[in-house]
Amino acid sequence: GAVVSQHPSRVICKSGTSVKIECRSLDFQATTMFWYRQFPKQSLMLMATSNEGSKATYEQGVEKDKFLINHASLTLSTLTVTSAHPEDSSFYICSARFLGGGYTFGSGTRLTVV
Amino acid sequence: DAKTTQPTSMDCAEGRAANLPCNHSTISGNEYVYWYRQIHSQGPQYIIHGLKNNETNEMASLIITEDRKSSTLILPHATLRDTAVYYCIVRYPQGGSEKLVFGKGTKLTVNP
Repeated sequence: GAVVSQHPSRVICKSGTSVKIECRSLDFQATTMFWYRQFPKQSLMLMATSNEGSKATYEQGVEKDKFLINHASLTLSTLTVTSAHPEDSSFYICSARFLGGGYTFGSGTRLTVV
Repeated sequence: DAKTTQPTSMDCAEGRAANLPCNHSTISGNEYVYWYRQIHSQGPQYIIHGLKNNETNEMASLIITEDRKSSTLILPHATLRDTAVYYCIVRYPQGGSEKLVFGKGTKLTVNP
């Protein structure tokens, strides 16, 4: 149980375009989801906390107009990287908290901006 | 804010117990200790968490010192597939949406 599905697993896009990443909780309802970014050989960096039905809370230094987060239902949160540039290339990972206190993570999305 | 300190890397022989330490000397009374691991290019995998008491599940055991300033994750019989980066995390309360903040973790290499 407590599975989070993240899609796509890999995406390549042209500089200046936007990319949407989906995160779904498959067998539980997630009122709160989290979005992380991970650069090569580095740890996960929390970008924002996504709350169902309300605005996301962004960490300091993360541009909310560039990384649009929508959490319109209890099972789906999306992260849209707008006007992507090569420096946005990274591994993006979503997470959700499940009953019992644990946090489950998606398998990640490898974004490459060319 | 509580922070964690872990060794950068550790090695373990296959079949032996792997003991991964974590210091969290500034942890507060209501903060939990979580352990996750990440195999290359995958999302982190939940291992175990605890508050005060020692915990055990099918994957590992978590030993928390009485003063809660440190903990040890124990993989009782390490296999090659346990090679990963292991993260010890103290849960930060953030209103009603508690977030997990990752440190640098310990890269565990299990050798044949």
